[in-house]
Amino acid sequence: EVQLVESGGGLIQPGGSLRLSCAASGFTVSSNYMSWVRQAPGKGLEWVSVIYSGGSTYYADSVKGRFTISRDNSKNTLYLQMNSLRAEDTAVYYCARGIAAAHDAFDIWGQGTMVTVSS
Amino acid sequence: QSALTQPASVSGSPGQSITISCTGTSSDVGGYNYVSWYQQHPGKAPKLMIYDVSNRPSGVSNRFSGSKSGNTASLTISGLQAEDEADYYCSSYTSSSTLVFGTGTKVTVL
Repeated sequence: EVQLVESGGGLIQPGGSLRLSCAASGFTVSSNYMSWVRQAPGKGLEWVSVIYSGGSTYYADSVKGRFTISRDNSKNTLYLQMNSLRAEDTAVYYCARGIAAAHDAFDIWGQGTMVTVSS
Repeated sequence: QSALTQPASVSGSPGQSITISCTGTSSDVGGYNYVSWYQQHPGKAPKLMIYDVSNRPSGVSNRFSGSKSGNTASLTISGLQAEDEADYYCSSYTSSSTLVFGTGTKVTVL
């Protein structure tokens, strides 16, 4: 079965760091482009970052310089390292798989992991 | 990057057709045929409904269709059904090699 399972969310103080993981099964992470998308409570979707199969990475301005997307091919897992966390980073974080035949369209999503930044 | 503009809510009766607009700029929606649409039910992950403006993934009902004119993309749901009640988001590739989502539209089936 093709699926994504996120983990690593939790309660963290402002200024702290957290690493989210997204374990993939049924397909190879490194062969697809993958993204992180977040959704603050009661709000809309916000794109966070993408990593392409060739390794190129891009970030939303709101997280650039603080977040880093990466993958471990041996573990078939996507990561999001989040540093200097702020209250406005509080959200459910989803990882998603890109469709090979499309540009920046995501067909498989994880269940999401909640990140709460609060003192 | 500012969010794409969608109407906050759209409603229709069962069997009717509704259209959701998604307005951007020449740097995103108008500049590329890379607009996608997602359906999200409460507490659930988004589901891809349309990609590259008008393509439907396998398994998505043909009641859903997409189009684009200039800086505005549209999602049309025909033969509206109770199960279509959800939030809908558009997204577009941008000239900065990033992605931007729309503000979201709540669809209500009357």
